[in-house]
Amino acid sequence: SQQGEEDPQALSIQEGENATMNCSYKTSINNLQWYRQNSGRGLVHLILIRSNEREKHSGRLRVTLDTSKKSSSLLITASRAADTASYFCATDLTSGYSTLTFGKGTMLLVSP
Amino acid sequence: GAVVSQHPSRVICKSGTSVKIECRSLDFQATTMFWYRQFPKQSLMLMATSNEGSKATYEQGVEKDKFLINHASLTLSTLTVTSAHPEDSSFYICSAKRPNQPQHFGDGTRLSIL
Repeated sequence: SQQGEEDPQALSIQEGENATMNCSYKTSINNLQWYRQNSGRGLVHLILIRSNEREKHSGRLRVTLDTSKKSSSLLITASRAADTASYFCATDLTSGYSTLTFGKGTMLLVSP
Repeated sequence: GAVVSQHPSRVICKSGTSVKIECRSLDFQATTMFWYRQFPKQSLMLMATSNEGSKATYEQGVEKDKFLINHASLTLSTLTVTSAHPEDSSFYICSAKRPNQPQHFGDGTRLSIL
């Protein structure tokens, strides 16, 4: 079965609001990564958080990781219409970045 | 840096045709390339992993004779869908990486078999 499961499956918000997406996984990991996918396009790497880290920031993105609960969250602050995309978490079992397992993703719609 | 180009972006062809998809790392040497398949509104499912100069490692359930992978150089991997049928219609995405570096993804190929 898939390692990562995101929720919600879909999220619709207004510009300026914050968007929070969650990811749960089942086994021990080396790191967890979040990706963005615009419709019909490839994936863009957003942020990586290692298993010994609890929180990480990158611009308007904030990622948390709770290894005891096997869960992670991605927060996008002050969202923009251009943030509309699908967001996937991917768990990596090793440090070599070769064993990614993706969740089903959260489809985010940000309305102007 | 770390740009991966995938070509073509879209293919529409008749059932029985073989289709080749190319994945190139434009500004780095990719020791490992990956091929994924994605159904609508679904996750990416890893099909196979290829290392330059060696045979690809296929995931369980992926037919190696159906999906031929060639990783002939450090900048190019190809996926050939042989004798494609409508059930092979999907979005195929490649990624490439260097040792101990994250994967970088191409923009995908939308394959439609009529």
